[in-house]
Amino acid sequence: GENVEQHPSTLSVQEGDSAVIKCTYSDSASNYFPWYKQELGKGPQLIIDIRSNVGEKKDQRIAVTLNKTAKHFSLHITETQPEDSAVYFCAANTGNQFYFGTGTSLTVIP
Amino acid sequence: EAQVTQNPRYLITVTGKKLTVTCSQNMNHEYMSWYRQDPGLGLRQIYYSMNVEVTDKGDVPEGYKVSRKEKRNFPLILESPSPNQTSLYFCASRGAGPTGELFFGEGSRLTVL
Repeated sequence: GENVEQHPSTLSVQEGDSAVIKCTYSDSASNYFPWYKQELGKGPQLIIDIRSNVGEKKDQRIAVTLNKTAKHFSLHITETQPEDSAVYFCAANTGNQFYFGTGTSLTVIP
Repeated sequence: EAQVTQNPRYLITVTGKKLTVTCSQNMNHEYMSWYRQDPGLGLRQIYYSMNVEVTDKGDVPEGYKVSRKEKRNFPLILESPSPNQTSLYFCASRGAGPTGELFFGEGSRLTVL
């Protein structure tokens, strides 16, 4: 099956700096790569996604890049704010199953 | 409001006492799934359902059962819970198409003593 690895597991940045979280996947059949944000005590919420026929996607301060050849994708958050503090999960979708990374706990220091 | 509702949100039980965690969605989604979240392991899929009466195993199905008798409901059943099933459980549903967004419930924290 698919194996998704996510790094780093924890990340601290100063407010206003950028944050980058990286994921790799193993199954070349995966074709959809969402990113989820999980705030304390809540369920994960989709923040951005990318499909395998696209290399980059941006939504305001958030961007995702995908390198299909290398089988890795990354989340970029610019101009970080304290409300960006949360756990972030990457995922790869193969058919009917979603495979998640182990999560990155992001802390934005005011 | 579009939502996925899980109950109970918190439960402490003892080994061997059957329990059911309910999940309901109001978005008319065909696809529903269950995940467990454990520290350092992320979210792992337990079971999923493509439609009514259609269910399939995910990565960690041992010790769990599911049923899908109605489109909106997808309960998770632990017939004989054990301490290694202590975890945070999430139900999710997905819209149409093979790459639709997953909508998650708020989670159910289960402790098995």
